[in-house]
Amino acid sequence: TAGITQAPTSQILAAGRSMTLRCTQDMRHNAMYWYRQDLGLGLRLIHYSNTAGTTGKGEVPDGYSVSRANTDDFPLTLASAVPSQTSVYFCASSEQGNFVEQYFGPGTRLTVT
Amino acid sequence: GQNIDQPTEMTATEGAIVQINCTYQTSGFNGLFWYQQHAGEAPTFLSYNVLDGLEEKGRFSSFLSRSKGYSYLLLKELQMKDSASYLCAVRDAYSGAGSYQLTFGKGTKLSVIP
Repeated sequence: TAGITQAPTSQILAAGRSMTLRCTQDMRHNAMYWYRQDLGLGLRLIHYSNTAGTTGKGEVPDGYSVSRANTDDFPLTLASAVPSQTSVYFCASSEQGNFVEQYFGPGTRLTVT
Repeated sequence: GQNIDQPTEMTATEGAIVQINCTYQTSGFNGLFWYQQHAGEAPTFLSYNVLDGLEEKGRFSSFLSRSKGYSYLLLKELQMKDSASYLCAVRDAYSGAGSYQLTFGKGTKLSVIP
């Protein structure tokens, strides 16, 4: 199985433009997450979804939106990109329950100029 | 608020033992995870502790003391391929439907030298 795939691998985006980062998992996990990782700041949660049809805000949600139309896909949209959104974005998923880890996708490196 | 502290960088010699510490102060606690992340790659799961004590998995062990808000990751018989960042993460907030959020520390970059 592929696990979690993310697209694109990297992207350079002009400030003010919109973009959607794609994330697809084939493990039938109910929970999915979007993180950004910045040097010196570590991984920070942007948005999450416990199950299809529901989403929630994480630590740094401003400037980002998500949707969860089905179990497999969890796209992250930047409506109007700003340079501070330059980062590496990781999508993750997990089963529900107590003793479960999160599985991470390979990441998308986004540069906003 | 949430606060997870770990050393920024460590260096150790091939074949040696290294201990990476993590202290946490979080509003909730439902377990502590350690992840490994090689440069340019995704984090991968190493270990999970929810009860006090030591969990051993091959060359890697992880310890937890909930009363002290403290954990460590112990790596034995270090190999060059162990050069990576090690992330401590606390599962704190319950976000509903049987799912929890993770709060990550900033990570410890370990360099293994010959």
